[in-house]
Amino acid sequence: GESVGLHLPTLSVQEGDNSIINCAYSNSASDYFIWYKQESGKGPQFIIDIRSNMDKRQGQRVTVLLNKTVKHLSLQIAATQPGDSAVYFCAENNAGNMLTFGGGTRLMVKP
Amino acid sequence: ETGVTQTPRHLVMGMTNKKSLKCEQHLGHNAMYWYKQSAKKPLELMFVYNFKEQTENNSVPSRFSPECPNSSHLFLHLHTLQPEDSALYLCASSQVQARRNTEAFFGQGTRLTVV
Repeated sequence: GESVGLHLPTLSVQEGDNSIINCAYSNSASDYFIWYKQESGKGPQFIIDIRSNMDKRQGQRVTVLLNKTVKHLSLQIAATQPGDSAVYFCAENNAGNMLTFGGGTRLMVKP
Repeated sequence: ETGVTQTPRHLVMGMTNKKSLKCEQHLGHNAMYWYKQSAKKPLELMFVYNFKEQTENNSVPSRFSPECPNSSHLFLHLHTLQPEDSALYLCASSQVQARRNTEAFFGQGTRLTVV
């Protein structure tokens, strides 16, 4: 991914297993959160979002959990596939329409 | 593919050059953004335009000059850049309604190298 120079936390999982990627956010006033996936040479791609009035939202093979008490966000990917290998970013919306991004987690799927 | 198109995809420029990055969104959104993604830092917001008006300049040096002629087009004019400005520059757009934001859609980015 484009953040290759950063010391990104890396999660390595076996194909078919479930993946959980975690994110801590900083602003208790943030009311909207998004997970993005970024593959090498591409821009970030929207995966799933959640608003602060919810604590769980499910999509196709993905689930986002929000714990406002500890300011924690997680992305769960079911039955991880090689195509899921990428860098995953969480983002929080805490002022107007500005998104603040986390540092990212690299997911590596072993066949 | 993404609804947000950036050109060029790659750009090499000298420190005395002037160049421009272009972004076009085909999604009917009312907000556009420039982000910088470098090897040393996570995604950094540079500029925000709402309804063609710049609403945010995130302490960006004046050698970066944005322009938003209409709600579908966004430019980033570059002048006398430094090697540390080498990065991936990402454009994004979103729809903002009644102070309720939605997801931002990103372009593929312009890989800029300053020599």
